[in-house]
Amino acid sequence: KQEVTQIPAALSVPEGENLVLNCSFTDSAIYNLQWFRQDPGKGLTSLLLIQSSQREQTSGRLNASLDKSSGRSTLYIAASQPGDSATYLCAVPMDSSYKLIFGSGTRLLVRP
Amino acid sequence: KAGVTQTPRYLIKTRGQQVTLSCSPISGHRSVSWYQQTPGQGLQFLFEYFSETQRNKGNFPGRFSGRQFSNSRSEMNVSTLELGDSALYLCASSFQRTGELFFGEGSRLTVL
Repeated sequence: KQEVTQIPAALSVPEGENLVLNCSFTDSAIYNLQWFRQDPGKGLTSLLLIQSSQREQTSGRLNASLDKSSGRSTLYIAASQPGDSATYLCAVPMDSSYKLIFGSGTRLLVRP
Repeated sequence: KAGVTQTPRYLIKTRGQQVTLSCSPISGHRSVSWYQQTPGQGLQFLFEYFSETQRNKGNFPGRFSGRQFSNSRSEMNVSTLELGDSALYLCASSFQRTGELFFGEGSRLTVL
């Protein structure tokens, strides 16, 4: 049974810091891994999708890496800004379906 | 290009009533999935539809049902509402299975 864990649950950093969010999964036979951002009371915004054959993906100040063998993914945020404050979630599909298994998220606060 | 649209955004119902939520996927996307998000359980998969067929169903009681129309729009219905059904219901669409998922803003249901 696939389980997804995100550490830490919450993180508070001063503006400008580079930071790393962690995501681990128990079953390495994944098709892809997706990172999302969720603002309070809002839906999920897709940040990055990494296919199982890829090692990393980049979008602007965001870089996500994937290590299937160790069951880990990291989301690196460079030069954090107060606007980055949100909950960050990672998710993997359950086998070949669209049933995503989500982590519980990391709540990020970037202080001005 | 319009994103995933969910209606209504907010609604209040009383126990025993039923509710229907609507989701219009991104144009060209044929896969639609639904998730329930609560503070205690996080994001949980409800069901997935592809080309008007339910492909997957999560571990929810039969009171939760859904359907997809020929234009890929989807509805979900919850009958005999219980207090525990209060949640944010999120719809997501994708162009193909195992592809990137795009979420709507959600429908916030409060059951009194």
